[in-house]
Amino acid sequence: NAGVTQTPKFRILKIGQSMTLQCTQDMNHNYMYWYRQDPGMGLKLIYYSVGAGITDKGEVPNGYNVSRSTTEDFPLRLELAAPSQTSVYFCASSQGQGNTEAFFGQGTRLTVV
Amino acid sequence: AQSVSQHNHHVILSEAASLELGCNYSYGGTVNLFWYVQYPGQHLQLLLKYFSGDPLVKGIKGFEAEFIKSKFSFNLRKPSVQWSDTAEYFCAVGWNSGNTPLVFGKGTRLSVIA
Repeated sequence: NAGVTQTPKFRILKIGQSMTLQCTQDMNHNYMYWYRQDPGMGLKLIYYSVGAGITDKGEVPNGYNVSRSTTEDFPLRLELAAPSQTSVYFCASSQGQGNTEAFFGQGTRLTVV
Repeated sequence: AQSVSQHNHHVILSEAASLELGCNYSYGGTVNLFWYVQYPGQHLQLLLKYFSGDPLVKGIKGFEAEFIKSKFSFNLRKPSVQWSDTAEYFCAVGWNSGNTPLVFGKGTRLSVIA
């Protein structure tokens, strides 16, 4: 029962580098989300998707891009890494509309130096 | 804008003490309510949820929460905490209007000391 799988678990990037955080789910959920978690700030929504081919911005989309070519995968792209993007990133998915239970991945801890 | 407030940033309790964590959301309408727990170094896991029916819901590990519609609140309670309850707790709200994703509070860190 894999659920939501994120890779990598940890990554250190230099300023200006790019990378893709991978997220895949095997529950056939329509909705997928990317959140970032910073100490004392809770979870902030970066992007979300209501189905393959459809994405929308969340609260903090600047500096990130997403795509949703399949139901299973929802990668998050950082094009020009900045120290402000140091954070823990969580991918999540849910079956129904956005107001239903979200299932989370294990997270990716990213440090930009 | 829709928002969720958690009143306590950090709560420190002794083992066997009772716990109540506050959660309020910004405005009404039909809502789904959730409490998630995040143990140190782990991802968020669902503790309990409310969609409809009895406003007092019971979750895992002895936790419960009460939905008070008139107060836009969904407070989390546990009669007697254990050291293993040390974690961060997040309240989340889903409004039944459109496709808006869950909105999370900023979290409350609970430290239980022996």
